[in-house]
Amino acid sequence: DGGITQSPKYLFRKEGQNVTLSCEQNLNHDAMYWYRQDPGQGLRLIYYSQIVNDFQKGDIAEGYSVSREKKESFPLTVTSAQKNPTAFYLCASSIRSDYNEQFFGPGTRLTVL
Amino acid sequence: KNEVEQSPQNLTAQEGEFITINCSYSVGISALHWLQQHPGGGIVSLFMLSSGKKKHGRLIATINIQEKHSSLHITASHPRDSAVYICAVESSRLTFGEGTQLTVNP
Repeated sequence: DGGITQSPKYLFRKEGQNVTLSCEQNLNHDAMYWYRQDPGQGLRLIYYSQIVNDFQKGDIAEGYSVSREKKESFPLTVTSAQKNPTAFYLCASSIRSDYNEQFFGPGTRLTVL
Repeated sequence: KNEVEQSPQNLTAQEGEFITINCSYSVGISALHWLQQHPGGGIVSLFMLSSGKKKHGRLIATINIQEKHSSLHITASHPRDSAVYICAVESSRLTFGEGTQLTVNP
């Protein structure tokens, strides 16, 4: 089955710790995205990658980092510099960056204690 | 003011009712998307449209480019339609509305 997987579904971390969220796709899509969702707000773009070994900051990149070493994988690290890391994180992909029908993963709910 | 505004924020309906969710936007767009977010959090794309009207089963999406407005209609609503419906507009990237929480009671 083709799709996007995110793991884990729920993640708990202590304040001050870095944490990495996994996102894998087997759709052979060039573009991948990370979004953050908070209650009462629309999805906000953290980082996106148009192609392997390339990525750009989105609207709220501060306190986050990404890598795109493989086409299938786009992990997101939430660093201790992120002031309010508790949120629902969604990964998405699209065939290419100029084609905006995006396919979403199931999401990871991160809680920082 | 948000670039994408949805109304209502919350909507409760009885099974069988006709439902309308509205989306207004303030920027020039190349397309508009309607998405459905299930209670578990997963999001699926329902429609991508740049003009006119699209229909898929009991779902109908319309867009008026001149008025910068789109509507999502659900006919003969069912409890399984309960979800958050999200409007997103496409310019250089996607900009998302806050979503409309729909609850359909049996």
